[in-house]
Amino acid sequence: EAGVAQSPRYKIIEKRQSVAFWCNPISGHATLYWYQQILGQGPKLLIQFQNNGVVDDSQLPKDRFSAERLKGVDSTLKIQPAKLEDSAVYLCASSLLVGSPLHFGNGTRLTVT
Amino acid sequence: DAKTTQPPSMDCAEGRAANLPCNHSTISGNEYVYWYRQIHSQGPQYIIHGLKNNETNEMASLIITEDRKSSTLILPHATLRDTAVYYCIVRPSIIQGAQKLVFGQGTRLTINP
Repeated sequence: EAGVAQSPRYKIIEKRQSVAFWCNPISGHATLYWYQQILGQGPKLLIQFQNNGVVDDSQLPKDRFSAERLKGVDSTLKIQPAKLEDSAVYLCASSLLVGSPLHFGNGTRLTVT
Repeated sequence: DAKTTQPPSMDCAEGRAANLPCNHSTISGNEYVYWYRQIHSQGPQYIIHGLKNNETNEMASLIITEDRKSSTLILPHATLRDTAVYYCIVRPSIIQGAQKLVFGQGTRLTINP
């Protein structure tokens, strides 16, 4: 099966600019996750969708981060405006059901200068 | 917060068994032990999970102690491609609401030729 697709692979922006990441999960996977991974740390969950509804966004900095899942399939994560501390790899993952193992994409590496 | 403790790094010779320990002394009865690994510049990859019985698949074996307070992931014949960060994660069984995976720092396993 095709894996989780993410784009772009790399992005460099200046602080205060905006940026968007795109994720296409594995076909048929109902649950979608966005994680942030800062260099040297484990991934941290930002938001979890079940179909097109938000299940958990408790760690999403909502003043600057937003995410949506279009028609319960693709998802976009946006940062506006970006800060230096947002430099990280943004990972998208999907699972068939809540509780199933997660399948991760290879992430988007964001550098904010 | 992560509910597991892992050594920060380990080395293993190619062709030997790699045994990665994990302590999860506060695990509760409905929580599973999951293992993921992350190869450099890739997203995390699911390896195996278990509740209380030992588990084996094509990638690895998972040994969980009888009191469930610790576990060991075994890679029976390590190869250079097994060099990665290995994450041990405690995850609740299926319940209402979020099913987040909380990653800790993991163990950086280096396979030496």
